[in-house]
Amino acid sequence: EAQVTQNPRYLITVTGKKLTVTCSQNMNHEYMSWYRQDPGLGLRQIYYSMNVEVTDKGDVPEGYKVSRKEKRNFPLILESPSPNQTSLYFCASSPFQPGTSVPDTQYFGPGTRLTVL
Amino acid sequence: RKEVEQDPGPFNVPEGATVAFNCTYSNSASQSFFWYRQDCRKEPKLLMSVYSSGNEDGRFTAQLNRASQYISLLIRDSKLSDSATYLCVVNPLDSSASKIIFGSGTRLSIRP
Repeated sequence: EAQVTQNPRYLITVTGKKLTVTCSQNMNHEYMSWYRQDPGLGLRQIYYSMNVEVTDKGDVPEGYKVSRKEKRNFPLILESPSPNQTSLYFCASSPFQPGTSVPDTQYFGPGTRLTVL
Repeated sequence: RKEVEQDPGPFNVPEGATVAFNCTYSNSASQSFFWYRQDCRKEPKLLMSVYSSGNEDGRFTAQLNRASQYISLLIRDSKLSDSATYLCVVNPLDSSASKIIFGSGTRLSIRP
């Protein structure tokens, strides 16, 4: 089954304790992306990756890191989480539109609900 | 001005009604557009893509107006199951600016 998986689905942690949220897709998509969703603000892009070893900042990258060592995986790392990073996080992947490097339809993981105390 | 703006609603309409909402975007060079549906903090799922002037799929019609820089979504004969938040998404022009911009969503509630 074609899918995007995220782990963990729920996480409660404390300020400053490093954590990693994993994201994996089995559709051989080039483009992957992380979003956070907060009430009234919609989904905001944190980081994206056009391909292996190619990553770039989205709109709200502060406090986050990513890596893309393999095509299928795109982990999100919070080196020193703070309470303002409490949010609902989504990972997504998409192919490029034919003949371009523009992302097409995105497929989302089920989300990770993170609480930082 | 936000890059992608949507009326947050909520739109509260009776079952069977026709409802329409718009999404405006600021980058005139934007290339492709999408409507996603999101249920109650679950993951967004694609409803419709718009690459040229519009698209239609059953009760749903999306139209793109490049001159006025908006995309509309029309839902005919609305069902209770259409209750959700509808997200407008604008994709970049080319690979030099590959951010993806979401609107903050329009909440739709269909009442019996």
